[in-house]
Amino acid sequence: GENVEQHPSTLSVQEGDSAVIKCTYSDSASNYFPWYKQELGKRPQLIIDIRSNVGEKKDQRIAVTLNKTAKHFSLHITETQPEDSAVYFCAASIPDYGGSQGNLIFGKGTKLSVKP
Amino acid sequence: NAGVTQTPKFQVLKTGQSMTLQCAQDMNHNSMYWYRQDPGMGLRLIYYSASEGTTDKGEVPNGYNVSRLNKREFSLRLESAAPSQTSVYFCASSYTGINQPQHFGDGTRLSIL
Repeated sequence: GENVEQHPSTLSVQEGDSAVIKCTYSDSASNYFPWYKQELGKRPQLIIDIRSNVGEKKDQRIAVTLNKTAKHFSLHITETQPEDSAVYFCAASIPDYGGSQGNLIFGKGTKLSVKP
Repeated sequence: NAGVTQTPKFQVLKTGQSMTLQCAQDMNHNSMYWYRQDPGMGLRLIYYSASEGTTDKGEVPNGYNVSRLNKREFSLRLESAAPSQTSVYFCASSYTGINQPQHFGDGTRLSIL
């Protein structure tokens, strides 16, 4: 079945620097890749997603890139701010082979700390 | 719009007790999900409901049951709680289950002594 690996597990950057979080997936038929941000004690919130027909997507300081050949996708945060500090989760959809209807498999998360 | 609402927010149980976690969404979504979140483990799917009237097992279903009461509500039941079920439980919903973002509730923090 689908497996998602996420690296690094922790990341510390200085305010204003960029942060990159990488995920790999195992099933080449996966075609939807969302990213969630979870602040301490709060719910996971979708921050950006990408579908397999697109190689890159941007939303202000956040971008996601997808390399289908290598089966990996990355989250890029530029000009980091202290409020970006949170745990970030990547996910990949389970291909719809008629049973699991596109459920998500999540990575184990990256704790990002942005130091002022 | 409240989005996805979970009750209760916190609960402490004794081993062997039963309880039901409630979830309701007001976004007219068809698909609903229950996850558990443990430190270092990410989010793991317990059960899901692709549409009203259907439920299916996810990655970690043992010890749990679910009911899709109607399109809005999806409940999770622990019949005989065990300490291994101490976790944070999140309910989520999506318009459909295929390549759609999932929207999460605030979670239920459950401790089993």
